[in-house]
Amino acid sequence: QQQVKQSPQSLIVQKGGISIINCAYENTAFDYFPWYQQFPGKGPALLIAIRPDVSEKKEGRFTISFNKSAKQFSLHIMDSQPGDSATYFCAASVNYGGSQGNLIFGKGTKLSVKP
Amino acid sequence: DAGITQSPRHKVTETGTPVTLRCHQTENHRYMYWYRQDPGHGLRLIHYSYGVKDTDKGEVSDGYSVSRSKTEDFLLTLESATSSQTSVYFCAITGDFGGREQYFGPGTRLTVT
Repeated sequence: QQQVKQSPQSLIVQKGGISIINCAYENTAFDYFPWYQQFPGKGPALLIAIRPDVSEKKEGRFTISFNKSAKQFSLHIMDSQPGDSATYFCAASVNYGGSQGNLIFGKGTKLSVKP
Repeated sequence: DAGITQSPRHKVTETGTPVTLRCHQTENHRYMYWYRQDPGHGLRLIHYSYGVKDTDKGEVSDGYSVSRSKTEDFLLTLESATSSQTSVYFCAITGDFGGREQYFGPGTRLTVT
């Protein structure tokens, strides 16, 4: 029940296209859903995050869509660029009454954007 | 990398030897974490700390111990390294006041031969 399932494992998109990565969870107590971007040889970098009281959050070309009833959330990258080629991780956590809930990560999606 | 340094950045060691990895932060954040990253497994939590001398186990804590004697430093020790502990290790921090964002360091690549 603590798992976060991420798909696809890898994704190839043409420059200018839309990249879509999906995540699903079982634990309805999760209340924080971040996405991380990781380039080779670097640490993961927080990209965008959402809480379940909103259905969508947009930051530039990156949008999180959240479907609470389906227990799914997804990352959309509009107008994908070769510089977006990286591995993306979704994650989720629970806030236990003020103490920090630990992040549970998906297994990652390797995105390649072809010029 | 959000004021986080990890040392060493690369290490090769032999099976059975002890290894200590260091995470240092300049942000004065309360929470610190150690993760390992392996192909096909994503990031898995090893141990975390919620204050000086306050630590707890994560998902994959067997074979690892941690210590935090100062706010800025969080040490991860492999008491007797095994080949299964070959991995990339990341430290992360998060702040107080309800902040949920975790920020990661640059990582340490550890190879156990």
